[in-house]
Amino acid sequence: AQSVTQLGSHVSVSEGALVLLRCNYSSSVPPYLFWYVQYPNQGLQLLLKYTSAATLVKGINGFEAEFKKSETSFHLTKPSAHMSDAAEYFCAVSDASGTYKYIFGTGTRLKVLA
Amino acid sequence: GAVVSQHPSWVICKSGTSVKIECRSLDFQATTMFWYRQFPKQSLMLMATSNEGSKATYEQGVEKDKFLINHASLTLSTLTVTSAHPEDSSFYICSAAANNKGAQPQHFGDGTRLSIL
Repeated sequence: AQSVTQLGSHVSVSEGALVLLRCNYSSSVPPYLFWYVQYPNQGLQLLLKYTSAATLVKGINGFEAEFKKSETSFHLTKPSAHMSDAAEYFCAVSDASGTYKYIFGTGTRLKVLA
Repeated sequence: GAVVSQHPSWVICKSGTSVKIECRSLDFQATTMFWYRQFPKQSLMLMATSNEGSKATYEQGVEKDKFLINHASLTLSTLTVTSAHPEDSSFYICSAAANNKGAQPQHFGDGTRLSIL
C-alpha cells in the first residue's frame, strides 16, 4: 500500500531563509508525487508535480522539489522565504492501483518570521 | 488554465435541511471528480470519487445516502448533504482531473464551509 509521511507538522523560518519541507513516500510502483499549498479557508493550489520525467522539478512561486528514489523522498524547497509563503503544505502520492486517488500527507504548517 | 469553481463558498442552514454544493471545471473537461472533507487543522479526507455518467465510488465509512453525488456532465459534479445535522458541519472541497491517469494532477475548488445550526 502507498503512504506519505510529512515530517514536522509545523515549520518556522525567518524571512529570506531557506524553506525545507519534508515528504517521504512508500510505493511499490513508480509514484506520481505532488505538492500543494493551502491558504486559510481556501482550496489547494498545485505547486509542482513529479511524473517520472526530470527528478528536479520546478514549480510556481520559486518552489522546487527533488525526487530521490533511493531515499523515497520528495522534499520541497525554496531558497528564500517570503511572508506570503506562510500556509499549509500538503504532499500527495497518486494511487497507482487504477483509481488515481490521492494519498495525502498530514500537512506542514509553514510560519515565516519577520 | 485548469480552474475549478465551487459554489457556494459558505452556507449556514438549519438542522434537517438539505444542502447542495456545486463543483465546476471551467476550462477543461473533468473525467473524474473527487469530494473531500477537511476538519480543522487536519488533512483532507476523501469521501468519494465520481466519474461522468456513472455512480460515485464512496470511501469506507461514508454514508452514500447522506452524501449524494451526481456527476451528470464532464464539467459539473454536485454533492448534496441530505438532512444535515450539526455533525455534518465541515469544510468540503472538490477537485477535478482531466482524465483518470495518475500523472494528471487534481485541480481543487476553493471549498465550501458548511455550518449546520
